[in-house]
Amino acid sequence: DAGITQSPRHKVTETGTPVTLRCHQTENHRYMYWYRQDPGHGLRLIHYSYGVKDTDKGEVSDGYSVSRSKTEDFLLTLESATSSQTSVYFCAISTGTGVFEQYFGPGTRLTVT
Amino acid sequence: ELKVEQNPLFLSMQEGKNYTIYCNYSTTSDRLYWYRQDPGKSLESLFVLLSNGAVKQEGRLMASLDTKARLSTLHITAAVHDLSATYFCAVDVGGADGLTFGKGTHLIIQP
Repeated sequence: DAGITQSPRHKVTETGTPVTLRCHQTENHRYMYWYRQDPGHGLRLIHYSYGVKDTDKGEVSDGYSVSRSKTEDFLLTLESATSSQTSVYFCAISTGTGVFEQYFGPGTRLTVT
Repeated sequence: ELKVEQNPLFLSMQEGKNYTIYCNYSTTSDRLYWYRQDPGKSLESLFVLLSNGAVKQEGRLMASLDTKARLSTLHITAAVHDLSATYFCAVDVGGADGLTFGKGTHLIIQP
């Protein structure tokens, strides 16, 4: 258990509404990541963070923003949810001590209707 | 752009048989990871391969890395039903910029 929690675990929302997903870690690791998982695509990187207030875009960042005001929390926001953002979202952490093996949270299943 | 390709994407096999999953990637890297995912669950780290020629084994699973060929394999020996899952390989091109994943191999092992 890598000490990662995600909330909510399930959410149904309507098109056009803002949504925020939270990732919380208890390990004090520097690096945190958000991925989305869709059938036929594997996992794709949305955004990542090197530390507090230090974030960068991944492969599929359009329509998403992130914030990290504390080491332990990494928030993913969908500014105006669309049906194409229906997915399972995984948060991951990495120790970053030379090997960037990642440990994944339990996931959030988001449905945009 | 880094591309990671796994094959096969779907594999149905019988218990007791051997098989290999292949992971090819397009950019120089000497760090490759294998993960397992059960239906509806998160990803579990299986192997971390950090250099050319690296080989790791755990039970009936063995992973290897050939960085010159940009190829990793996950070999299953004498498969058992409990190994049914989706297996992902992922590549790290250096630094903390996240992993690039293959699309996964959905493995079903039938009694």
